[in-house]
Amino acid sequence: AQSVTQPDIHITVSEGASLELRCNYSYGATPYLFWYVQSPGQGLQLLLKYFSGDTLVQGIKGFEAEFKRSQSSFNLRKPSVHWSDAAEYFCAVAANSGNTPLVFGKGTRLSVIA
Amino acid sequence: GAVVSQHPSWVICKSGTSVKIECRSLDFQATTMFWYRQFPKQSLMLMATSNEGSKATYEQGVEKDKFLINHASLTLSTLTVTSAHPEDSSFYICSGGAGENTGELFFGEGSRLTVL
Repeated sequence: AQSVTQPDIHITVSEGASLELRCNYSYGATPYLFWYVQSPGQGLQLLLKYFSGDTLVQGIKGFEAEFKRSQSSFNLRKPSVHWSDAAEYFCAVAANSGNTPLVFGKGTRLSVIA
Repeated sequence: GAVVSQHPSWVICKSGTSVKIECRSLDFQATTMFWYRQFPKQSLMLMATSNEGSKATYEQGVEKDKFLINHASLTLSTLTVTSAHPEDSSFYICSGGAGENTGELFFGEGSRLTVL
């Protein structure tokens, strides 16, 4: 079964600084990978996804992520963080392209300071 | 992307009562929908898979008699928390796939249940 590890529970960055949130997955075949963001009390918003092709994927709000098969990683990056980026970020993996549930990591809470 | 609507977005009930949460796919048909539960400051955990026209399948540790799931049509799945207790207080989120072969699921806005 697939699994996702987000090693960082909480990260604090200064506004304008760069950001990298780590995500490692465990799955035997090529995974389908996702990053979601959740503001307090809200649902999930998809930032970006990878399922084939270019390993560097661009998402909304200036985020990008790079799939590295050799490291089983799918880290999320943003070159300059805005205060409105403060939220909970979840990495998720799906086993295939069919109608299968996503498995989520435990999440990383991002705080942004002035 | 496809749209999934959940209702109610929040509900408060007394201990021992039952609560129904609806999940609708507004612009696609969903033969399968997934129900997740999220406790405060925790991740989303899959509770059950809702299958249109057949019984739901539940994850280990989830009581099927307590969390009743009905998927009577291709656009509606419901989760009923029966005889709710304070420990059932949580954020419940449903999701469905729109058949785009990308593995992506579309999530509802979530329903926050508080049991007094």
